[in-house]
Amino acid sequence: RKEVEQDPGPFNVPEGATVAFNCTYSNSASQSFFWYRQDCRKEPKLLMSVYSSGNEDGRFTAQLNRASQYISLLIRDSKLSDSATYLCVVNTGGSYIPTFGRGTSLIVHP
Amino acid sequence: SAVISQKPSRDICQRGTSLTIQCQVDSQVTMMFWYRQQPGQSLTLIATANQGSEATYESGFVIDKFPISRPNLTFSTLTVSNMSPEDSSIYLCSGGQQFTEAFFGQGTRLTVV
Repeated sequence: RKEVEQDPGPFNVPEGATVAFNCTYSNSASQSFFWYRQDCRKEPKLLMSVYSSGNEDGRFTAQLNRASQYISLLIRDSKLSDSATYLCVVNTGGSYIPTFGRGTSLIVHP
Repeated sequence: SAVISQKPSRDICQRGTSLTIQCQVDSQVTMMFWYRQQPGQSLTLIATANQGSEATYESGFVIDKFPISRPNLTFSTLTVSNMSPEDSSIYLCSGGQQFTEAFFGQGTRLTVV
């Protein structure tokens, strides 16, 4: 089983839709969680950190469920510019190495 | 946050040659990593660059093929040695502090012909 798993998609949604991605992780000792966004032919860029209490940044909401070992990303009122690949990243204590999921592709269409 | 400058941004190289990629961070970072990303795939960790000592390589990657230097907390290089077409990929460096977000260089798009 991979350490970090994501549904690769693509998720194809109309503008204005709400879309949610989940990411599961296998190591219960994981300590830090992030969502990154990667545009085509560009490097990954941090979208938001994921805190135990959940956090929101505008149209984006991230949640952590330690009991079930998954994190989620909710995007409300999707824009065309949200089209990208969203990468889930987990840092596990001990190795300090960020582990990437394979990414979930989002396509927002008019 | 940290800003990471990576160069070259792209190169086309002959098989059998070597290419060294550089990453410069604008602040001291505890951790630096080197990744490879094939088109449509996620990032594959090559190694962790350790300051002042040998890098820690992941399974499938060896020092003779991918020598890495990290002389200080702001700079690292990755060399792709004796290149073959299979080495064509995007190479990314990243840096950050332990348990915090990592920041990426712009990537090096390598084509081996």
